[in-house]
Amino acid sequence: GENVEQHPSTLSVQEGDSAVIKCTYSDSASNYFPWYKQELGKGPQLIIDIRSNVGEKKDQRIAVTLNKTAKHFSLHITETQPEDSAVYFCAANRKTSYDKVIFGPGTSLSVIP
Amino acid sequence: NAGVTQTPKFRILKIGQSMTLQCTQDMNHNYMYWYRQDPGMGLKLIYYSVGAGITDKGEVPNGYNVSRSTTEDFPLRLELAAPSQTSVYFCASSYGGTRIEQPQHFGDGTRLSIL
Repeated sequence: GENVEQHPSTLSVQEGDSAVIKCTYSDSASNYFPWYKQELGKGPQLIIDIRSNVGEKKDQRIAVTLNKTAKHFSLHITETQPEDSAVYFCAANRKTSYDKVIFGPGTSLSVIP
Repeated sequence: NAGVTQTPKFRILKIGQSMTLQCTQDMNHNYMYWYRQDPGMGLKLIYYSVGAGITDKGEVPNGYNVSRSTTEDFPLRLELAAPSQTSVYFCASSYGGTRIEQPQHFGDGTRLSIL
């Protein structure tokens, strides 16, 4: 069945360094790839998304890249800050129906001051 | 706007009890979803709805039921609670109804323990 893998499961970086989280997906028909940030005790919040008609998208310190041929997409956070510490989920849509997405298992990011 | 509101935030149930997790959204979204989140497992779709009166199963529907009588509300019912249903439950909504996928908006979850 359709699957989204995510690596690493945990990531620690020094404040100011960059963090990269990588995901792969199995459904070649997927064309929408959102990223969510989940802070402790809260629900996931969308931070950036990318559609298959572009290879890269940036929003201030956050960027996402997409390689449709390899079925890879990645989240890049530059100049990390302590408030970036959270669990990050990638996801890919299921073209079978209705805005449904499959989520990766998550990456717990810790930014060390 | 409040967005997606879930109640209760926490609940402890005994095995075999039943309860309803409430979810309401004020964004006039067509699509609504229920997920469960287990440690290290990401989010698994339980049920979803594309509009009032329409519901369908997700990946892990067993032991749950839903209804969608209004656009705003999408309650999740647990009958005969089992320890395997201990989890954090998230409700989400999205605009839907277009050919372009729309992001989902999540509530803050209900933490449920079955003892």
